[in-house]
Amino acid sequence: DIQMTQSPASLSASLGETVTIECRASEDIYNGLAWYQQKPGKSPQLLIYNANSLHTGVPSRFSGSGSGTQYSLKINSLQSEDVASYFCQQYYNYPTFGSGTKLEIK
Amino acid sequence: QVTLKESGPGILQPSQTLSLTCSFSGFSLSTYGMCVGWIRQSSGKGLEWLANIWWNDDKYYNPSLKNRLTISKDTSNNQAFLKITNMDTADTATYYCARSPNWELGYFDYWGQGVMVTVSS
Repeated sequence: DIQMTQSPASLSASLGETVTIECRASEDIYNGLAWYQQKPGKSPQLLIYNANSLHTGVPSRFSGSGSGTQYSLKINSLQSEDVASYFCQQYYNYPTFGSGTKLEIK
Repeated sequence: QVTLKESGPGILQPSQTLSLTCSFSGFSLSTYGMCVGWIRQSSGKGLEWLANIWWNDDKYYNPSLKNRLTISKDTSNNQAFLKITNMDTADTATYYCARSPNWELGYFDYWGQGVMVTVSS
């Protein structure tokens, strides 16, 4: 199976800052990558698919990039409602998820 | 508006079989390319994909759990189902169903609220 290594495990940033979360796959996943946001007590919500396509209704301050084995999620101009955990998921092979990044406001 | 909702027993004993139902609206599992999957989340193992079922009744299972899983659907009633045999305390988790608008393995664009399942004697 393809292992997804996500970093950092936790992140604290100030309102208005730009933050970046990374995922590294154990092999090339050919842009078969999605990013999800999960708020406490809620289910995951799709943000990005195919590495860089924004899901319907997701604010444009979220963006995804990367290729091969390295991918990243960037959040521009951090808002209070962005406090959540973020997960990556690859689907080049049977789906596997990263371990998550917990984002807090400083 | 796409919605999904899981239902299940809540608590069961080790070695029992878990039966989960996913009731959905806003899309049809008879639509070409449509798929519903099951994913679980536990504090110990994080998010773990379990199985997918497609509009044409194709199924795909997590290889590490394949022997214990059965996924099925009732297209006319907009439901999908998952059975897991021989449940263990390690299977305690929140179980989600989610829509995947991909005709092969892909991402999940809408998720249910999840159902908590506890395995305990």
